[in-house]
Amino acid sequence: VQLLDSGGGLVQPGGSLRLSCAASGSSFNSYALSWVRQAPGKGLEWVSGLSGRDRSTYYADSVKGRFTISRHNSKNTLYLQMNSLRAEDTAIYYCANFNWDDAFDIWGQGTMVIVSS
Amino acid sequence: SSDLTQDPAVSVALGQTVRITCQGDSLRTYSASWYRQKSGQAPLLVMYAGNHRPSGIPDRFSGSSSGNTASLTITGAQAEDEADYFCYSRDYSGDHLGVFGSGTTVTVL
Repeated sequence: VQLLDSGGGLVQPGGSLRLSCAASGSSFNSYALSWVRQAPGKGLEWVSGLSGRDRSTYYADSVKGRFTISRHNSKNTLYLQMNSLRAEDTAIYYCANFNWDDAFDIWGQGTMVIVSS
Repeated sequence: SSDLTQDPAVSVALGQTVRITCQGDSLRTYSASWYRQKSGQAPLLVMYAGNHRPSGIPDRFSGSSSGNTASLTITGAQAEDEADYFCYSRDYSGDHLGVFGSGTTVTVL
């Protein structure tokens, strides 16, 4: 399985952006996937997750109410809709597969989001 | 949510042993996983379920846990081990999937 992130770019504060994560391989609809971000010079921050079993969604407090995670199984693609963007959302965003051992075993290459006027 | 604390930086002489620690209350309940991140690259899983190595990770990497502390040990550090290392654990609050540690920069001298 490989993950390919895309959709990043420069957006003004208050704007919106949708990130995509395309997965190769089979059984995409059973994957538990997450978005993890890394602000410039900072550590990793888990942002949002989508369960592979019951489609439950999870969000960090910092993005709850502004970001929405979803998946399109027939397209093998995970999305992150980001609204009301703030300067502090500037980061590289990675999608990652969360496996049955509670670990992120496969990562995308990351896509850069810059929120600036 | 829970927090995971790591020392910001450690150094190790080439071929020597270094231990990276991660402290947090959630580690009393959940196992840690560990990630290596080299400059400009995506993170790479190097340890999961406390002490299990993914295929392709050298056996100089080992993991352990006691109480609220998880550890990643590199025995016989190599130049290519110089990187940032992050721990991760589930978050017992239930609202969140989990949390990453603050990260440790390992310098191989």
